[in-house]
Amino acid sequence: EDQVTQSPEALRLQEGESSSLNCSYTVSGLRGLFWYRQDPGKGPEFLFTLYSAGEEKEKERLKATLTKKESFLHITAPKPEDSATYLCAVQAGLTPLVFGKGTRLSVIA
Amino acid sequence: EAGVTQSPTHLIKTRGQQATLRCSPISGHTSVYWYQQALGLGLQFLLWYDEGEERNRGNFPPRFSGRQFPNYSSELNVNALELEDSALYLCASSVEFLGNTEAFFGQGTRLTVV
Repeated sequence: EDQVTQSPEALRLQEGESSSLNCSYTVSGLRGLFWYRQDPGKGPEFLFTLYSAGEEKEKERLKATLTKKESFLHITAPKPEDSATYLCAVQAGLTPLVFGKGTRLSVIA
Repeated sequence: EAGVTQSPTHLIKTRGQQATLRCSPISGHTSVYWYQQALGLGLQFLLWYDEGEERNRGNFPPRFSGRQFPNYSSELNVNALELEDSALYLCASSVEFLGNTEAFFGQGTRLTVV
């Protein structure tokens, strides 16, 4: 069974304090690893899809990396507007996305 | 370009009633996924439709059903509503192009069962 574990559950950062969020996964035949941002009461916002180990993608202050067992979402010099829940999901073969429970990020000015 | 649209935004139903939720995918997307997000829980997979057919189903009772129309829009029906069905219901559409897949979500329908 495909499994996704995200850590930490919650993270509190000062503005400008860089950090990383972790997504560990167990899947047979990874087809893609997805990162989303979700604000309270809203639908998840697509950030990245990673397909193979060693791949990296960047968007503004966010950088996602992928290994054979985990993915990291690096947040550089975060701002209060980066506060949200960050979700990781994996897809294997012709299966739907399986989501982790998310990391709730709070950035304090 | 319009994103994934869901209607209604909010829905209040009484226990035992039926609820119908609607989803319009991004133009050109043929796959539609439905997820349930109960308060404090992660996204739980409900149903996946592609090209008008049900491709996969999550661990939910049969009173959760749906369909996909020829224009790829989709409907989720929940019969005999129970209090624990109260949740944010999310629809996503996706397309695969040259081996790359992107899945985009709508803003969700907040279903409250009283």
